Amino acid sequence: NAGVTQTPKFQVLKTGQSMTLQCAQDMNHEYMSWYRQDPGMGLRLIHYSVGAGITDQGEVPNGYNVSRSTTEDFPLRLLSAAPSQTSVYFCASARMGNTEAFFGQGTRLTVV
Amino acid sequence: AQSVTQPDIHITVSEGASLELRCNYSYGATPYLFWYVQSPGQGLQLLLKYFSGDTLVQGIKGFEAEFKRSQSSFNLRKPSVHWSDAAEYFCAVGGGYNKLIFGAGTRLAVHP
Repeated sequence: NAGVTQTPKFQVLKTGQSMTLQCAQDMNHEYMSWYRQDPGMGLRLIHYSVGAGITDQGEVPNGYNVSRSTTEDFPLRLLSAAPSQTSVYFCASARMGNTEAFFGQGTRLTVV
Repeated sequence: AQSVTQPDIHITVSEGASLELRCNYSYGATPYLFWYVQSPGQGLQLLLKYFSGDTLVQGIKGFEAEFKRSQSSFNLRKPSVHWSDAAEYFCAVGGGYNKLIFGAGTRLAVHP
C-alpha cells in the first residue's frame, strides 16, 4: 500500500522556471491538499481539493496552480519560480469528514 | 482568527524523564485537534487526534493528550521519553474539508 506518493523528492530550479510537483494517492480519498513547510512557521496550506474537478485556495496560494482531474492525482504547478518558493512541500490526503490526513514524504525545492 | 500556538520552540529532556509539549489554539467552532511527529527528512506521522468524547486521548508510541476547552489547550504528554522520540512535533487544528492549521512546531532533543 503506497499511501501518498510525491515526486520528485528533491529539485533545484532557476528563478523564472516552471515545474510541476506530483502527488498521487491510492486510498480513494476525497480530500487532497498541498502544504509548504518553512522553518519556524510550521506547515501552511497552499491549495486544497474536495474531489475531482473541485479546488480552492488555502492560506498561501500566490504563485501556485492546481488541478484535479482524477481522484488519485493532485499536481502542484509553479508558474514562474521565485527564491521565496524555496521550501519543503507536502501533499496530504484524507477521507471526507475531518478524519486523519495522510502525508507524503515531501519535496524539497530550492530556487536559485 | 484561527491559529495554533506552540510556545516552546525547542525542548531538551533526559531519556526516561517525563515530557509535556504545549499547544493552544484559537478556533471559532468545535475543534478537531491533532498531534503529528516529524523525524528529520521525513513526512508527518499522526500521533493522536481528538474529535469528541473523552478529553484524554491515547496515541501511538505511548503518547497521550488532554483537551481542555476552558484553556483552549491540547497538550501532549509522555511519562518516559525514549531517545527515539527526538523529532519535531506539530499541533494542528482541523477545519472544514480537512484543512489543517499547524503550529510552528516544537523540536525535541533527548539526552542519554
